[in-house]
Amino acid sequence: QKEVEQDPGPLSVPEGAIVSLNCTYSNSAFQYFMWYRQYSRKGPELLMYTYSSGNKEDGRFTAQVDKSSKYISLFIRDSQPSDSATYLCAMSGYTGANSKLTFGKGITLSVRP
Amino acid sequence: NAGVTQTPKFQVLKTGQSMTLQCAQDMNHNSMYWYRQDPGMGLRLIYYSASEGTTDKGEVPNGYNVSRLNKREFSLRLESAAPSQTSVYFCASSAEDRSETQYFGPGTRLLVL
Repeated sequence: QKEVEQDPGPLSVPEGAIVSLNCTYSNSAFQYFMWYRQYSRKGPELLMYTYSSGNKEDGRFTAQVDKSSKYISLFIRDSQPSDSATYLCAMSGYTGANSKLTFGKGITLSVRP
Repeated sequence: NAGVTQTPKFQVLKTGQSMTLQCAQDMNHNSMYWYRQDPGMGLRLIYYSASEGTTDKGEVPNGYNVSRLNKREFSLRLESAAPSQTSVYFCASSAEDRSETQYFGPGTRLLVL
């Protein structure tokens, strides 16, 4: 079993839809949970960051972590064509020197106008 | 502010040729990373450098070498390229106390024939 599993997609939704992206993980030591967004032919960029369990909201984006289920989610409300990108979840057990991120494989989202 | 820069953007090699991928960051970050991204495989860490003068292997180091030339620059060398090394290579950097926030370069697309 891979440490981090992410639905491969792709996912296509109409503009205005609510999007739910999910990752599961097996390593109970993970404490830091990130979502990176990657536009086509660009490098990934950090979208959301959550420490431990709970929710975090930033505009139309909500990140949710359920450590008891080893499950994280990213919700996008009122999705826009500009949200079309690949979304990668990432996790680590600690922050600081020598810390490494474990990434999911990414899911490609397309928002149709 | 350039952030993380990578050269070249695109390269075609023949099997057995060597090349060096260059990466530089201007954010005064201690940590730097090299990833490869392949379809269906996500981002996989090749090597990382927690600070100037140190380098460590990541998940897929075979066939690669790295040099942390100074705090700004981290290069990746392929001594004898193989078709299996066809990929998109990303360099990233992070501050020592914020390793969950990695800043990525635009990537180098490498094709090995």
